[in-house]
Amino acid sequence: GAVVSQHPSWVICKSGTSVKIECRSLDFQATTMFWYRQFPKQSLMLMATSNEGSKATYEQGVEKDKFLINHASLTLSTLTVTSAHPEDSSFYICSASKEGDTEAFFGQGTRLTVV
Amino acid sequence: KQEVTQIPAALSVPEGENLVLNCSFTDSAIYNLQWFRQDPGKGLTSLLLIQSSQREQTSGRLNASLDKSSGRSTLYIAASQPGDSATYLCAVSGNTPLVFGKGTRLSVIA
Repeated sequence: GAVVSQHPSWVICKSGTSVKIECRSLDFQATTMFWYRQFPKQSLMLMATSNEGSKATYEQGVEKDKFLINHASLTLSTLTVTSAHPEDSSFYICSASKEGDTEAFFGQGTRLTVV
Repeated sequence: KQEVTQIPAALSVPEGENLVLNCSFTDSAIYNLQWFRQDPGKGLTSLLLIQSSQREQTSGRLNASLDKSSGRSTLYIAASQPGDSATYLCAVSGNTPLVFGKGTRLSVIA
């Protein structure tokens, strides 16, 4: 199978600080990774598509300056929540697909709590 | 715009029952449909993937069907167990990245 590792699994930060979440494909190369956010009892919502070596594509309503995405290698994408506020508290999940394959493999998710 | 709906939103059944979870989508132009399981506070576990050309997939006690033309999929769970308690999400992949339903929260009572 394919494994996607996400780190950290949970983080608590103070309002106004920045938090970085990593998403790694451990046994395959992922030219494209996706970042999702999930509020309690809601479905997963796509935030952005992360393409290796180029700028991420953000969904409507997602602030690109607040949610910085870097996909510097074929196995690593990072999401940085800048100047976090309590309303950014959520569950963030990344996914990746093998090149040419449409099956998605998900990380374990990161629960962010901003206090 | 693709929309995915899952019914019911929540389901509680006694252990041993067979059950069906429903998923419908508005745009039939999909590449595949996936069923996931999500435990509280955890990431997603892929259960079954059905390609658009397929009608069903089976894994153990799970069977998923796909009727692309009518925009429907069902996840059948046989002989349910308390360990099956979780939220089940379906998601479709098409011209856009995965679009998820809100999930069905399943509780299997011992």
